[in-house]
Parts: sequence; structure tokens; C-alpha cells
Amino acid sequence: ETVMTQSPTSMSTSIGERVTLNCKASQSVGINVDWYQQTPGQSPKLLIYGASNRHTGVPDRFTGSGFGRDFTLTISNMEAEDLAVYYCLQYGSIPRTFGGGTKLELK
Amino acid sequence: EVQLVESGGGLVQPGRSLKLSCLASGFTFSNYGMNWIRQAPGKGLEWVASISSSSSYIYYADTVKGRFTISRDNAKNTLYLQMTSLRSEDTALYYCAREEFNYGSYYFDYWGQGVMVTVSS
Repeated sequence: ETVMTQSPTSMSTSIGERVTLNCKASQSVGINVDWYQQTPGQSPKLLIYGASNRHTGVPDRFTGSGFGRDFTLTISNMEAEDLAVYYCLQYGSIPRTFGGGTKLELK
Repeated sequence: EVQLVESGGGLVQPGRSLKLSCLASGFTFSNYGMNWIRQAPGKGLEWVASISSSSSYIYYADTVKGRFTISRDNAKNTLYLQMTSLRSEDTALYYCAREEFNYGSYYFDYWGQGVMVTVSS
């Protein structure tokens, strides 16, 4: 099983700040990583697929990058609506595995 | 508009069974793979199972293999999850999610609102 480790587990941010979230795979998964956002009480929403492709309607302040074992989600200009938990998911092997999540909070 | 509506959850005793359903609308259900993903209270997401559009390919997480069965009825636009030998650790909100395949990438582009399963005596 490919273990996905996200860091940090939580982060205090400010509006307008640049935020970088990390996800590390226990073995290479190529570009087979998605990122999902979950706000309180809501179902997860797709942000990024294939490591770097922004899903339809996702604001361009969200950028995904990475290959192999190391992946990053960057929010270039934090907005209040971005306060959420973010999960990476690898689909390069079965079982598909999610990272433990990174929770973004306000300072 | 794509909609996924889960049902069938509830309180069940350990060792008993439960069957979840996910009714899909707003798209051609038979063209898409589908998945179940769960989230224990206050915890992260866990992929549970997937089924291809024609049911040819089925996969499970190790934590549910041999106890859960994913299936679908394309004529009824419905995805199922038959859960047996339920354990307290199966307590979670269960989401169904549509799987899209695009440019070599897989992703879950639509999710239901989830259905709660509580396993307790």
C-alpha cells in the first residue's frame, strides 16, 4: 500500500498569504495525485487532478505540482473561503490512498 | 445537473449487515466508474471500493475486503455497497463518488452528501 503523508497537519494562515501544502508518497506514483478540499459539513470537492491540472471552475490561485513522491498544493493568495481541510489522493496503485489532510485555520 | 444521493444508513449492531444505495442522475451512469469513500467522525477520508462502468473491474480496501461488496445496476442508475460483519471501526459517513478519466488521470469529480453508518450495540 502506498502511504501518503501530508504536512503540516494544520497551519495558521492570514488572508492574502501564500500557502504551501505538502504530500509525500511512500513510493513513486508518477503524476497520479489529486487534491481535494473539504469545508466543514460539506462533501469533498476536487481541486487538482493529475498532480497539476486545475479542475473546471477552480480559481487560478490554486496550483498543484510534483512528480514521483513529492507533491505540492499552493494557494497563492489565501481567501477566507479557502479555510478548509485539504487531502491528497494517489490513484497510481490499488488501494487508492488519501493523505491524512492539512487543516488551514486563521491566525 | 449531476446528483448522487446516498441512502440506507443507520444504527446497526456489530456483526450485522447493511446495504447502502447511491442513486445517480444528471449523467449517463453506465459510462462511469463509481466509488465508495468513507470518513469516520472527526477523521480523514478513506477510499473503500471502486467498480468500473460495466462491473468488470472491482477493487476494495484491505480493511473491508471479504466483508463489503460493491455492485451496480445500470438500468436503475444505482450503486450499492453491501456491508456484512460490521465492526465499530466501520462507523463513518459513507460517500459515493463518480470517477472521471481524462487525459490519463482519474479523479472523483462529483460526490454525494454522504450517509451515516453507526455500528454500536
